[in-house]
Amino acid sequence: DTEVTQTPKHLVMGMTNKKSLKCEQHMGHRAMYWYKQKAKKPPELMFVYSYEKLSINESVPSRFSPECPNSSLLNLHLHALQPEDSALYLCASSHEPRTSGRGSYNEQFFGPGTRLTVL
Amino acid sequence: ELKVEQNPLFLSMQEGKNYTIYCNYSTTSDRLYWYRQDPGKSLESLFVLLSNGAVKQEGRLMASLDTKARLSTLHITAAVHDLSATYFCAVESGGSYIPTFGRGTSLIVHP
Repeated sequence: DTEVTQTPKHLVMGMTNKKSLKCEQHMGHRAMYWYKQKAKKPPELMFVYSYEKLSINESVPSRFSPECPNSSLLNLHLHALQPEDSALYLCASSHEPRTSGRGSYNEQFFGPGTRLTVL
Repeated sequence: ELKVEQNPLFLSMQEGKNYTIYCNYSTTSDRLYWYRQDPGKSLESLFVLLSNGAVKQEGRLMASLDTKARLSTLHITAAVHDLSATYFCAVESGGSYIPTFGRGTSLIVHP
């Protein structure tokens, strides 16, 4: 299995709702990422998990709560979101930096994303 | 702080023409990635460039890396409509394996 899957594909929620986004990979990758992408912008890093531990939180508001139950799964719990949080949420995974003959690198593989609309 | 600049940001070209997208970055790096994104879709990895002078080709796309100039190029040969997409370069620097993305180049190829 060489892909990252995300569910749901689309999500519409009100500002008082609680919902979760899910991401799964079975490539044996030990790093997983959440990105937020607004239209016509590059992805913005939110969180990084390395070996199931949160290693980077890019000052993301607490209404976004990540969780990594195991090495294959990554969740993003959403609560009390604002309309400006509407975006495409992308999950990615990678091996820890791996060494090739030319040096180490960390190619990320992205899931299809969840299109989130907050009303 | 690593800065990554892509240009042009928008590119409208005719089928059959050649063009180049440029990715400049501000600090020493030898790890650069090119991604393609179709509208509303995810990012697809195109190329991984890991050393000065690296050149990779896939179909009508060819990417190169000049670490001394801190520049990567994505060259499009004889463009076809199917290449219409947004192309991002992403750069890692030093001990950080978190990429910094450029703003993306939105490419439209007209028949």
